[in-house]
Formats: sequence, C-alpha cells, structure tokens
Amino acid sequence: QVQLQQSGPGLVKPSQTLSLTCAISGDSVSSTGAAWNWIRQSPSRGLEWLGRTYYRSRWYNDYAVSVKSRIIINPDTSKNQFSLQLNSVTPEDTAVYYCARDFGGLKPWGQGTLVTVSS
Amino acid sequence: DIQMTQSPSSLSASVGDRVTITCRASQSISSYLSWYQQKPGEAPNLLIYGASTLQSGVPSRFSGSGSGADVTLTISSLQPEDSATYYCQQSYSLPYTFGQGTKLEIK
Repeated sequence: QVQLQQSGPGLVKPSQTLSLTCAISGDSVSSTGAAWNWIRQSPSRGLEWLGRTYYRSRWYNDYAVSVKSRIIINPDTSKNQFSLQLNSVTPEDTAVYYCARDFGGLKPWGQGTLVTVSS
Repeated sequence: DIQMTQSPSSLSASVGDRVTITCRASQSISSYLSWYQQKPGEAPNLLIYGASTLQSGVPSRFSGSGSGADVTLTISSLQPEDSATYYCQQSYSLPYTFGQGTKLEIK
C-alpha cells in the first residue's frame, strides 16, 4: 500500500521560500510508471495543480505556467521522497498543499499541509 | 488550459436517491477524467479514473460515464457517508485542471 507523508513548515513570511517534502512508502520515486505531483487548494483558487516530477530513463519536470518562474520540484532517490520549493511567496500562496502520486488517477494523496504566508 | 465546469455546484438529496453530477470540459478530453470525493479536513480520494473505471475499494454504487467533453458521476443509491464535495479532474493535457466542486448534502 502506497503512502505519502508530508512535512514542512506551516508559516512562511512574504518573499521567502515555501519548502515541503513528501516521503514515499510502498513505491519508489524512480518508478517508471508513476508521476509525483504537488497540488494546492484554497477557497479562492480551488484545487490547483502545481507540477510534477517523474522518471522515464531520465528525470522530467512539468510545472504550471502560473508558478513556473518560482517553483522547483526535486526527487530525492536516497530518501525516496520529493520536494516542493516555491520562491518569493505572497499571501496569495496561502493554501493547503498536497502531494499525490499519478498512476491512473491521483492516488494516494498526502495528508495536506496548511501553509500560511504572513509576516 | 482546459476548463472544467461542474453542475450543480451543490445539491441536497435523501438516502436512497439516485444522484448525478455532470462535468463539462472546454474541449474534448476523451476519457482522461477522474472523480474525487473530499470530506472536510481530508485530502481528496480517488473514486473513478478513465471516466468509468472504479478505483479498487470504492463502493459499486458509484459509477462514471461519458467521454469527449461531457462526463457524469452517478451515485445509484445515496448513503449517509456520501455527504462530501465531489471534484472532476482532467488529465488529457497539462496543466491538470479540476472542476470547482459539487457539495452534496444528505437531507
């Protein structure tokens, strides 16, 4: 059974970097059949896909245009996890952030992390 | 980006009712459509993928149909535990996009 466990701070100051990690159990971040995604949810934006990383003989990343200049998603094969970095955050980045595996639908999801951007 | 529009935005139904939620895409998405159930304080949970394939462990009262730009989620006999918000999501092209949600309440 695949499980995803998120970690990271719940409060980030404006202009700083939001950093979250998603630890994988029951699968490998290097799996050639899956992709590893970050999604956020807020009352104003609803569910918003941010990006993904996946391995198909080499590593690939895809990012949403809305955050493309500020986002990095990195795999960490040594720890079997992947991370989200979102730079130069503003209060509009306040949301619940989720990681999720894409393997014929998004499942499972991490437990979610409420990240508040505030000074 | 492909826009996903769900209808209705909310509905109230009784236990045992048949409920249908519709999702319309701004272009054809073939069968690249998933449905999720989300309860307060929880992450979304995958119900159906490929427009009509039931995720393992999901009760058979849930079903999906349609392809192209119009797809539906049907709950054949509503149960109290089905009270939740339901979302559709297209995986036809990036960025993945979600519907705005349908909040289902039990009368």
